[in-house]
Amino acid sequence: SQQGEEDPQALSIQEGENATMNCSYKTSINNLQWYRQNSGRGLVHLILIRSNEREKHSGRLRVTLDTSKKSSSLLITASRAADTASYFCATAQATGANNLFFGTGTRLTVIP
Amino acid sequence: NAGVTQTPKFQVLKTGQSMTLQCAQDMNHNSMYWYRQDPGMGLRLIYYSASEGTTDKGEVPNGYNVSRLNKREFSLRLESAAPSQTSVYFCASRGWAEETQYFGPGTRLLVL
Repeated sequence: SQQGEEDPQALSIQEGENATMNCSYKTSINNLQWYRQNSGRGLVHLILIRSNEREKHSGRLRVTLDTSKKSSSLLITASRAADTASYFCATAQATGANNLFFGTGTRLTVIP
Repeated sequence: NAGVTQTPKFQVLKTGQSMTLQCAQDMNHNSMYWYRQDPGMGLRLIYYSASEGTTDKGEVPNGYNVSRLNKREFSLRLESAAPSQTSVYFCASRGWAEETQYFGPGTRLLVL
């Protein structure tokens, strides 16, 4: 399987704390994307980082990418109860069709 | 714009029955995708259509067929449903030269 792995599988934090989730993948990539899924809903794109980038910010989100270790991390700062959701990384491979391969997800619960 | 729409939202089938899941997008996107999501597995690609008139197998195509009816619509057919096809099915689309995908709300399928 070309699926990535995410760590941890589940994370529970207090409102205001930072949440960090990690993603590892297996092949060379063009870019890595993070998506969010609220319970019972479809996925929504959050942020994209290209293979030649090391860090990217968007609002309270910070993404890092280490292509030598084939890993990425997503940091959500000053978390809110509304951030409760599942978060998935997805990689677009460097060769072949521009399809996405999704990780197994991290379930984040932010306690008010 | 409605984005990506899927019908039905929920379906119960008996083993051996057939059904078609419908997907439509109003964003004039070239590429469309069908995924299934199972607990602990993330999303896995079933079939995709890079452009109108073309379809290709993804990671888990067995037991499914697809039709790219026109640029807007991409349907997924189960000819003879099996309990292993119990899952949540997501349709997604992507514009030409875009890198992110836009997801529908999903169809929950239960095969008894």
